[in-house]
Amino acid sequence: AQSVTQLGSHVSVSEGALVLLRCNYSSSVPPYLFWYVQYPNQGLQLLLKYTSAATLVKGINGFEAEFKKSETSFHLTKPSAHMSDAAEYFCAVSPLYNFNKFYFGSGTKLNVKP
Amino acid sequence: DTGVSQDPRHKITKRGQNVTFRCDPISEHNRLYWYRQTLGQGPEFLTYFQNEAQLEKSRLLSDRFSAERPKGSFSTLEIQRTEQGDSAMYLCASSLAGDRDGSGNTIYFGEGSWLTVV
Repeated sequence: AQSVTQLGSHVSVSEGALVLLRCNYSSSVPPYLFWYVQYPNQGLQLLLKYTSAATLVKGINGFEAEFKKSETSFHLTKPSAHMSDAAEYFCAVSPLYNFNKFYFGSGTKLNVKP
Repeated sequence: DTGVSQDPRHKITKRGQNVTFRCDPISEHNRLYWYRQTLGQGPEFLTYFQNEAQLEKSRLLSDRFSAERPKGSFSTLEIQRTEQGDSAMYLCASSLAGDRDGSGNTIYFGEGSWLTVV
């Protein structure tokens, strides 16, 4: 069975500081991996995805994530936080054998302090 | 290219009433999904359609829930005899099967329909 663990339900950073949001997955076969962002009262917007090509994936709004098979991780980073990055971020996996089903982590709320 | 649209965005209903949500996917997308999201949790898969065929249903989808996609375009999700535990955001998403970049399925979400059962 697939599962996704996001360490830290709340992360707070200062504007301009590094953003690091953690995601670990459990799967015997590396799945497809995604990061989505959700602003209050809105749906989810795709930030980036890993699909077995380059392990370092660049997404929108300056975010990137690195797939590390040995660590079963797909952490999301951004070098310099902006106030507009405050939102909730979800990591998701999609198994290769059934990529119609996405499994989401419980989310990390990012707070950006001025 | 319009995104996935959902209607209504918010619904407050009394326990025991029936509610129906509508989803219009991205026009060329052949797959349509329903997810449920409760406060403080990530979305949970409910069901998905390929064209008009409902191919998979989660155990979360009790007998009071029914979803349809009669013409392979828009979809409806009906909840009968609503209970307070049904209060959640119901998210619709769509995707195009067999996208040519070989990157697997990327699903695009609508803005969700909030249900409050009082």
